[in-house]
Amino acid sequence: DIQLTQSPSFLSASVGDRVTITCRTSQGISGYLVWYQQKPGKAPKLLIYTASTLQSGVPSRFSGSGSGTEFTLTISSLQPEDFATYFCQQLNNYPLTFGGGTKVEIK
Amino acid sequence: EVQLVESGGGLVQPGGSLRLSCAVSGFTSSDHYMDWVRQAPGQPLEWVGRSRDKASGYTTEYAASVKGRFTISRDDSKNSLLLQMNSLKTEDTAVYYCSRVHGSRMPDYWGQGTLVTVSS
Repeated sequence: DIQLTQSPSFLSASVGDRVTITCRTSQGISGYLVWYQQKPGKAPKLLIYTASTLQSGVPSRFSGSGSGTEFTLTISSLQPEDFATYFCQQLNNYPLTFGGGTKVEIK
Repeated sequence: EVQLVESGGGLVQPGGSLRLSCAVSGFTSSDHYMDWVRQAPGQPLEWVGRSRDKASGYTTEYAASVKGRFTISRDDSKNSLLLQMNSLKTEDTAVYYCSRVHGSRMPDYWGQGTLVTVSS
């Protein structure tokens, strides 16, 4: 199985900060990585697919990059509504697997 | 408008069975791969399994933790996805989500989830 390691697992930041979350995979996944945002009690919301493509309707302050086994999600200027937990998922090999999540909290 | 609505969750004893449904609207479920994903309280997301689209024969894939106990199927007459869960264990306690997959690589729409609690 492909393991996904997200870092950090917890992040404290202020409104306006630039935030970067990393997802490392245990083997190459041909760029088939997605990022989700999840708020308490809600379903995940797709932000980025194929590592760097912004899902329709998602603000442009979110961006994804990376290749091989290292991927990043960047929020260029953190907004109050961005405080949430973020997950990566690989969709290249079965079983599909998720990272452990990064919780972004208000500093 | 695309919508997915899960139902069928509840309290069940260890060893019991439960069937979840995911009713969709705004698209034809048979044209899409569909996934089940679960999330135990305070835990990360865990992929449960996938049903490919009708053109792929509705073939399925499962996580090792549920293989042989869970079965994913479709009900085209109701435009829905099903998850039959047998031999339930306490560690199956979670919110279960269904999602639509666009082009096999992009789970773009999710339901609100249904809670399954396995406890004596």
